[in-house]
Amino acid sequence: QSVLTQPPSVSAAPGQKVSISCSGGTSNIGNYYISWYQQLPGTAPKLLIYENNKRPSGIPDRFSGSKSGTSATLGITGLQTGDEADYYCGTWDSSLNTGVFGGGTKLTVL
Amino acid sequence: QVQLVESGGGVVQPGGSLRLSCAASGFTFSRSGMHWVRQAPGKGLEWVAYIRYDGSTEYYADSVKGRFTISRDNSKNTVYLHTSSLRLEDTATYYCAKWSSGWDCWGQGTLVTVSS
Repeated sequence: QSVLTQPPSVSAAPGQKVSISCSGGTSNIGNYYISWYQQLPGTAPKLLIYENNKRPSGIPDRFSGSKSGTSATLGITGLQTGDEADYYCGTWDSSLNTGVFGGGTKLTVL
Repeated sequence: QVQLVESGGGVVQPGGSLRLSCAASGFTFSRSGMHWVRQAPGKGLEWVAYIRYDGSTEYYADSVKGRFTISRDNSKNTVYLHTSSLRLEDTATYYCAKWSSGWDCWGQGTLVTVSS
């Protein structure tokens, strides 16, 4: 059981947009920045969004992030087949004194 | 460029030990907090441990507390994860990750298989 809650899967057609939610509590998302990670099959995770809504260099603006209270959302527009991957939210938890991740969301581009 | 390279994984019997290493390059290692994150086959990411840039503070997941120890050698730009009393459920790919407003760089991972 993950501390952060994500839907197990989402799907959409190429060119469409999708949102992935991440729900937590006051000791994690409520008090810390959230970050998002993309893990393509067979590869290491890669940082997509940091500090709730910032993109590292090289990440296209099709990817966006937002946070409100104890929840966060990753948005992806103009879906491409290459976006098929597992997506994870992550942050720190001050009650546990540990890093925490969501259980991951598998994105299928139909 | 920023790079992390893990090593030290392998097959070990239950109750055994392994020392994982993560060699860093391309950034000021001695100023960066470092983490270990693992992923069991077909499962999600699980945070394992953290060490402060100067080694003065460590945190662990409850699942490994008392069995794993994180350490670092800033003169060698390397962070370690000493694992002991390994269990079947510790089987996973272990990643080291650098922290800078998010886990912004990950290694390729090293596979630890606990099997009798």
